[in-house]
Amino acid sequence: EAGVAQSPRYKIIEKRQSVAFWCNPISGHATLYWYQQILGQGPKLLIQFQNNGVVDDSQLPKDRFSAERLKGVDSTLKIQPAKLEDSAVYLCASSPRTSGFDEQFFGPGTRLTVL
Amino acid sequence: GQQVMQIPQYQHVQEGEDFTTYCNSSTTLSNIQWYKQRPGGHPVFLIQLVKSGEVKKQKRLTFQFGEAKKNSSLHITATQTTDVGTYFCAVYGTASKLTFGTGTRLQVTL
Repeated sequence: EAGVAQSPRYKIIEKRQSVAFWCNPISGHATLYWYQQILGQGPKLLIQFQNNGVVDDSQLPKDRFSAERLKGVDSTLKIQPAKLEDSAVYLCASSPRTSGFDEQFFGPGTRLTVL
Repeated sequence: GQQVMQIPQYQHVQEGEDFTTYCNSSTTLSNIQWYKQRPGGHPVFLIQLVKSGEVKKQKRLTFQFGEAKKNSSLHITATQTTDVGTYFCAVYGTASKLTFGTGTRLQVTL
């Protein structure tokens, strides 16, 4: 079974530029998550989708971050404009169900550096 | 929102020594999960605990959920260099949102 795919793996941009990340979850997984992990910290949930609807985006900085999950499969996360403090690893994860205490399967992440 | 604290933040052991990390919450937890993240890698699910006082073992790893369901521990017996990484506890709160703890970074040297 293929895992969660993410691209790109690395991205370097200057502040005020825009950037987009892509995630392809495990086939059939209903729930998709985007996390931000700053160096030395645990992952912090940015947004959670169930199929193509948003369940939780309370920690998403909506003035600069946006995300969508078209057709309930792939997802993109965009930052526009980027700030220095957005430097982090952006992790995508998926889980099979829409409720309960599922384990989450993480992709390899995209390491973003904002200069 | 849900908050979980882990101690210690960092531990350095000699190979063969034991290691324990603790996860503490001020509120009663419905469940707790443990993940391992290797340096440069992504979190990988290890186990989930849901019952008060539950103890689960995976080879040299022992996971425990407190009787009051406010704390949990992960104990590794006879550490190996392959155990190096950061261990996170994580809990599901409202709206099926998973909150990760602060993590414990384990370094193992020969």
